[in-house]
Amino acid sequence: DTGVSQNPRHKITKRGQNVTFRCDPISEHNRLYWYRQTLGQGPEFLTYFQNEAQLEKSRLLSDRFSAERPKGSFSTLEIQRTEQGDSAMYLCASSLVLTGGSYEQYFGPGTRLTVT
Amino acid sequence: DAKTTQPPSMDCAEGRAANLPCNHSTISGNEYVYWYRQIHSQGPQYIIHGLKNNETNEMASLIITEDRKSSTLILPHATLRDTAVYYCIVGYGNKLVFGAGTILRVKS
Repeated sequence: DTGVSQNPRHKITKRGQNVTFRCDPISEHNRLYWYRQTLGQGPEFLTYFQNEAQLEKSRLLSDRFSAERPKGSFSTLEIQRTEQGDSAMYLCASSLVLTGGSYEQYFGPGTRLTVT
Repeated sequence: DAKTTQPPSMDCAEGRAANLPCNHSTISGNEYVYWYRQIHSQGPQYIIHGLKNNETNEMASLIITEDRKSSTLILPHATLRDTAVYYCIVGYGNKLVFGAGTILRVKS
């Protein structure tokens, strides 16, 4: 399968613990995005990378959240000191962006986080 | 990003065409219209996008009005597997802003 993969698919953690999620984009894609989706809502943008550079962060991304894409390939999203309000589906997407073109994003299956 | 308006839900009979409308009256000149869908408990799936001209691919057709203030996604022969939430998004492909979407229920 050459699509976007995310691990783990499900994570249950206790409030106050740190969690880390991994996203592996489609191999030739240069942009990688993170979104969060709570029950009954559409996904909300969190941040995106162009290769290894983090180009934009939403104000939803509090200082407890950090994302990295160290070699421009896979990415990790870490949440420190989790809170119950962090319970959501965390979605990763990737795209191939060429100068002047339009492009679509391909999403992974998501990581469902439950904070107890 | 421009805001879109979609009906909250629609029903369609299996085998019939599903026509999903979207209003985007504040779209700017070089923003694209994108459609994604999300089947329960899965990540969103890209369907189609366009700028001014109508577009067709293996999944759907996209009809954009001449003034670009509205569009319609057409699934020509809906199946039960097309039951999903359909999102109409305007922008440049980056930083997608999802609204509530339209829940399409395909019924046998």
